[in-house]
Amino acid sequence: DVKVTQSSRYLVKRTGEKVFLECVQDMDHENMFWYRQDPGLGLRLIYFSYDVKMKEKGDIPEGYSVSREKKERFSLILESASTSQTSMYLCASGAGVLEQYFGPGTRLTVT
Amino acid sequence: DAKTTQPPSMDCAEGRAANLPCNHSTISGNEYVYWYRQIHSQGPQYIIHGLKNNETNEMASLIITEDRKSSTLILPHATLRDTAVYYCIVGEGDYGGSQGNLIFGKGTKLSVKP
Repeated sequence: DVKVTQSSRYLVKRTGEKVFLECVQDMDHENMFWYRQDPGLGLRLIYFSYDVKMKEKGDIPEGYSVSREKKERFSLILESASTSQTSMYLCASGAGVLEQYFGPGTRLTVT
Repeated sequence: DAKTTQPPSMDCAEGRAANLPCNHSTISGNEYVYWYRQIHSQGPQYIIHGLKNNETNEMASLIITEDRKSSTLILPHATLRDTAVYYCIVGEGDYGGSQGNLIFGKGTKLSVKP
C-alpha cells in the first residue's frame, strides 16, 4: 500500500511565524502535490513537483513556498503565517498525474 | 464548467451493492475517468480509474458505457465505513495535458445504513 505521511495532524502557530509542513511518501513516486481544503471552497492546489528540485505553482501559491530536495520528501513552507492560512493542508503523491494518494492532512490554525 | 454531473446524495443498505452514476458527456478521447472518495475529516482517497474498458480492483468496479459518456462506480458489498462523498472526475492521464490538479465537483454523498 502507498503510504503518505505528514509531520503533524494538528498544528497551532502564531501570526508571523515561519511554518514548515513535511510530507514523505514511500512509493518512489515522481509527482508530489500540496493542496489546501476549506469548507465551501473545495480542494485547491498550492504547488506541485514532478521531480527532485522541480516545482510548479498551482492555483494559489501566494504566501507559500516548497522544497523538494529528495524524491520522497516534499515540504511546504509558510514564510510568515497569517490567519487566512488557517486550513486543512493535504499532501499527495502519485506515479500518474491524476492518480494521487493523499496523506492524513494537517489541520493548521494560525492565531 | 463542471465536466461531470453526479446525483447529490444516495442511500444504500449495508451489505448491498452501491451503484454510483456519473455523467461525462463531453469527455474527449484521451481522457480517463477517475473516482475518489472523501470520508469526513480525512484526505481524499483514490479508488479506481479507467479509459474505456471496465476495471475492477479490491475496492470497487468501474463500468464505462460504450460511448464513454457515463460511468458507474460499484461498491459490491457496502459497509458503514463506505459512507463518504464520492467524486467522479475526468482528465488526461499523463503530464501532457494536466498539471495534476484535482478539481472535485460536489460529488455524491453516499450514506450506508444498517
